Amino acid sequence: GAVVSQHPSWVICKSGTSVKIECRSLDFQATTMFWYRQFPKQSLMLMATSNEGSKATYEQGVEKDKFLINHASLTLSTLTVTSAHPEDSSFYICSARAGTSGRTDTQYFGPGTRLTVL
Amino acid sequence: DAKTTQPPSMDCAEGRAANLPCNHSTISGNEYVYWYRQIHSQGPQYIIHGLKNNETNEMASLIITEDRKSSTLILPHATLRDTAVYYCIAWATGTASKLTFGTGTRLQVTL
Repeated sequence: GAVVSQHPSWVICKSGTSVKIECRSLDFQATTMFWYRQFPKQSLMLMATSNEGSKATYEQGVEKDKFLINHASLTLSTLTVTSAHPEDSSFYICSARAGTSGRTDTQYFGPGTRLTVL
Repeated sequence: DAKTTQPPSMDCAEGRAANLPCNHSTISGNEYVYWYRQIHSQGPQYIIHGLKNNETNEMASLIITEDRKSSTLILPHATLRDTAVYYCIAWATGTASKLTFGTGTRLQVTL
């Protein structure tokens, strides 16, 4: 199957600082990448969708100025949590999709990044 | 995308087949049935998907009823490493579609 990596796997930061998380599709080109967030004992919640070279589309309730997404190439997307606060502590997971329809349109997920804001 | 219903939890003895059911009675003709699983503290792992025919790969088999209102994921010989939350998702693939997760089934494989 296709491989998606994330870096870092975990990060601890102080309140008020910014944190960048990278997501890479290692063996395929991703036309679309997605960012999810998962709080303890809850399911994954989609935060935003990004297409290479265009602005991300954010889900309702997600602050676009706080969660900056850049999808500069077909293999790399970054999520920057700006001015992080303890309530932003969560498990952030990216996903990448290669195709646009039918059987090739499967999303593959990265291993996740655990963010802890002190 | 159609809503899916799964039992919240299931147990399975190691070495036995695990049969995970999913109801998707409002599924549309263009929606595939996708299965993912999430092992604790990891990202979801793609397992299998299908439209209307039964599918099999190295991980599992997917049985979809003829009316497509329900499906069953079969892990033929469950191991302890199969303990995870399994998500069944009815998803209309395409550029505007979003893969959204419900609460899934927590499968516990025991000795």
